[in-house]
Amino acid sequence: EVQLLESGGGLVQPGGSLRLSCAASGFPFSSHAMTWVRQAPGKGLEWVSAISGTSVSTFYADSVKGRFTISRDKSKNTLYLQMDSLRAEDTALYYCAQAHTNSLFDLYFHHWGQGTLVTVSS
Amino acid sequence: DIQMTQSPATLSASVGDRVTIICRASQNIRSWLAWYQQKPGKAPRLLIYEASSLESGVSSRFSGSGSGTEFTLTISSLQPDDFATYYCQQYDTYSTFGQGTKLEIK
Repeated sequence: EVQLLESGGGLVQPGGSLRLSCAASGFPFSSHAMTWVRQAPGKGLEWVSAISGTSVSTFYADSVKGRFTISRDKSKNTLYLQMDSLRAEDTALYYCAQAHTNSLFDLYFHHWGQGTLVTVSS
Repeated sequence: DIQMTQSPATLSASVGDRVTIICRASQNIRSWLAWYQQKPGKAPRLLIYEASSLESGVSSRFSGSGSGTEFTLTISSLQPDDFATYYCQQYDTYSTFGQGTKLEIK
């Protein structure tokens, strides 16, 4: 059974940093691209970033480009999102999700975690 | 960037109704479109990918169609469990979600 468990969310001040983690199990981790999708309170889904199965390629939404960094550790079966220069508008529930294949050309998502909440506020 | 626009924003329907949700892309995305269902407090669930392919385990009451810039999600006979919010997502260029359609009980 595929399981994705996010952690690392919390309250951070504007301009601060946070690193999210997503522990994956139940599938060959390197065989799937992985992604982060966020959802602000009461709002819709926003795709944030994706990384290929081999970590060679990464994509970012314009809203986070230059501030967020996605990475993965195959030895730990874990996906990360380093978030720097955080803004109030980054406040959201952050989901990690498993893409269909290991490339960034099949970015639809079969399995999702339950999310970790990030709140950016002074 | 590719923009995705769903209509309607809210849809009121009754159990047994046939409903259709429309998703329009700002440019040609071929068939690279997925649909998700989300219930309050839950993660999204994949229903349809590649515009019309049904995800494993999803009821055949759900169907998708379209290509290019206009797509539809149809639920053939609404069941109580279907009342939720539905999102389309393009994955032709990176990824973008529509703003969502809330399906409410009439």
